[in-house]
Amino acid sequence: ETGVTQTPRHLVMGMTNKKSLKCEQHLGHNAMYWYKQSAKKPLELMFVYSLEERVENNSVPSRFSPECPNSSHLFLHLHTLQPEDSALYLCASSQDGGFYGYTFGSGTRLTVV
Amino acid sequence: KQEVTQIPAALSVPEGENLVLNCSFTDSAIYNLQWFRQDPGKGLTSLLLIQSSQREQTSGRLNASLDKSSGRSTLYIAASQPGDSATYLCVTTSNTGKLIFGQGTTLQVKP
Repeated sequence: ETGVTQTPRHLVMGMTNKKSLKCEQHLGHNAMYWYKQSAKKPLELMFVYSLEERVENNSVPSRFSPECPNSSHLFLHLHTLQPEDSALYLCASSQDGGFYGYTFGSGTRLTVV
Repeated sequence: KQEVTQIPAALSVPEGENLVLNCSFTDSAIYNLQWFRQDPGKGLTSLLLIQSSQREQTSGRLNASLDKSSGRSTLYIAASQPGDSATYLCVTTSNTGKLIFGQGTTLQVKP
């Protein structure tokens, strides 16, 4: 385990389903992030939470809805997704703006059918 | 705008070889530079973190160097093993905390 735990590891959902991805860190970090990694593409930053407040939203469609109830937990709520949303979703955390580096989770492999 | 470039894009070597992965970046105003490993379909595992004031970091068979003035970093892997096969990512952190990823070098170590 890297210190950042993501569940589930794999998820298959239909376009009309509603599901949630969960991320948990117990590193004492004060910022958490969602990244999307599509096949053969670099990581794309989706959302940034710092001290539980959303500080960045990189033009992500509203069918993705993040939630950060506390500094240790981060969720990504999914609804009415499209097949092109199939990707690896990675959660990360950091402290002090990344001075001590970033820690990533193992990811959730999402397939939309 | 920071750009991070990794060369080569892919590398295949026989087991036991020492190898060097290269990373270059255009903006030297970085907080730090981090090397990650990513296995297919998995998350990123941090290998080494070099702060902007540091020149190198070592962990086991891995050694990473940083030359901010020339905008270069190298990851040296000694005595490569088949288990080292993965994609290696060079990532810079800007002074505002933003990550910029290289495209990665995919390494295959043949038994």
